Amino acid sequence: LAKTTQPISMDSYEGQEVNITCSHNNIATNDYITWYQQFPSQGPRFIIQGYKTKVTNEVASLFIPADRKSSTLSLPRVSLSDTAVYYCLVGEGGRRALTFGSGTRLQVQP
Amino acid sequence: GAVVSQHPSWVICKSGTSVKIECRSLDFQATTMFWYRQFPKQSLMLMATSNEGSKATYEQGVEKDKFLINHASLTLSTLTVTSAHPEDSSFYICSARDGGLANYEQYFGPGTRLTVT
Repeated sequence: LAKTTQPISMDSYEGQEVNITCSHNNIATNDYITWYQQFPSQGPRFIIQGYKTKVTNEVASLFIPADRKSSTLSLPRVSLSDTAVYYCLVGEGGRRALTFGSGTRLQVQP
Repeated sequence: GAVVSQHPSWVICKSGTSVKIECRSLDFQATTMFWYRQFPKQSLMLMATSNEGSKATYEQGVEKDKFLINHASLTLSTLTVTSAHPEDSSFYICSARDGGLANYEQYFGPGTRLTVT
């Protein structure tokens, strides 16, 4: 499974755009890139998933360059409720489990 | 959207006793379910993969005789922590994949906080 590297922590202020970049140099052809959000004492919540280029939903955008060796999760206009740990995962998914890295702890200040 | 529930949400037990945690897929059939464990301030660590009707596959270092996993139906998997000790205190999270979908999304339960005294 491809290993991921992302910043341990990030700080931001309400209303700002936050971009969290994840490196996955060994990503395989069949691997998808998935981002999850986790609040304390809760299970992870799916944010967005992509294979290449750009994906956007009502919550976030995911930018994936052509070589797919990295990806960037973009959260527009964050609020205090976006304070959480964000995990970048790479894998085929399906019948295989997701391998969680250390995640990025995002702290949003007023 | 797909919902996964866990029961109980928290449990306190005495050392030496056994505890059973249930994981249910409420509105889809889960051919595969996964069990994770998470210690404070740490990431999720995969414990085992269970496929409906077959034995679970445990990750290296996870004792299969201590953490009993049963996946008897397409909507229910159980994790039993046998002879629990204080070091088993942790946050246990299950996830499930909808066998009827072509995407690769896995749905996570809300977690179960186990405290062994």
